[in-house]
Amino acid sequence: ELQLLESGGGLVQPGGSLRLSCAASGFTFSTYAMSWVRQAPGKGLEWVSIISGSGDNTYNADSVKGRFTISRDNSKNTLSLQVNSLRAEDTALYYCAKAQNTYNWDYGEAFDVWGQGTMVTVSS
Amino acid sequence: DIQMTQSPFTLSASVGDRVTITCRASQSASSWLAWYQQKPGKAPKLLIYKASSLESGVPSRFSGSGSGTEFTLTISSLQPDDSATYYCQHYNGFSRTFGQGTKVEIK
Repeated sequence: ELQLLESGGGLVQPGGSLRLSCAASGFTFSTYAMSWVRQAPGKGLEWVSIISGSGDNTYNADSVKGRFTISRDNSKNTLSLQVNSLRAEDTALYYCAKAQNTYNWDYGEAFDVWGQGTMVTVSS
Repeated sequence: DIQMTQSPFTLSASVGDRVTITCRASQSASSWLAWYQQKPGKAPKLLIYKASSLESGVPSRFSGSGSGTEFTLTISSLQPDDSATYYCQHYNGFSRTFGQGTKVEIK
């Protein structure tokens, strides 16, 4: 069974940092691009960051550029998101998601597998 | 970046009704458009990809159409289990943009 399990969320003060992790199982992890998507309480989905299967290519949304860093360890089937300089507006449930790989694009296509999310709360 | 705008914001319909949600792109999205369903407290679920391809295991009452700047998600016969929020998403290269969501309620 394809599965994604996020961890690492918590309560952090403004300006603080966290490292989110996503453990993948049930598929050949290195073959697929992976992404982080967040959802603030009561709000819609916001794409945050994406990484190619090899880990060589990454891209962030403008709202987190310079503060968030996506990475992956294909030997451990793990995706990570280092979140620094946190702001109140970063408070959200953070999902990791696997991209389809039909056309062998660097960043894949639609997100066909999602984790259950890890909550990040930024508050003093 | 391409912006995605969904309409309506909310809709209320009866069991058995045909329901249509629209997603408009600020510039051509070709056919790189996905639809997701999200129920309260749950992760999003992929329904449709490449504008009209039905994801495996998704009921056939869901269908997608469109290309370029206008796309639709149709539920041919609304069921109680379809009460959820639906999101469109454009994908191309590193670009990933979601619409703001459409909440579907059952009367």
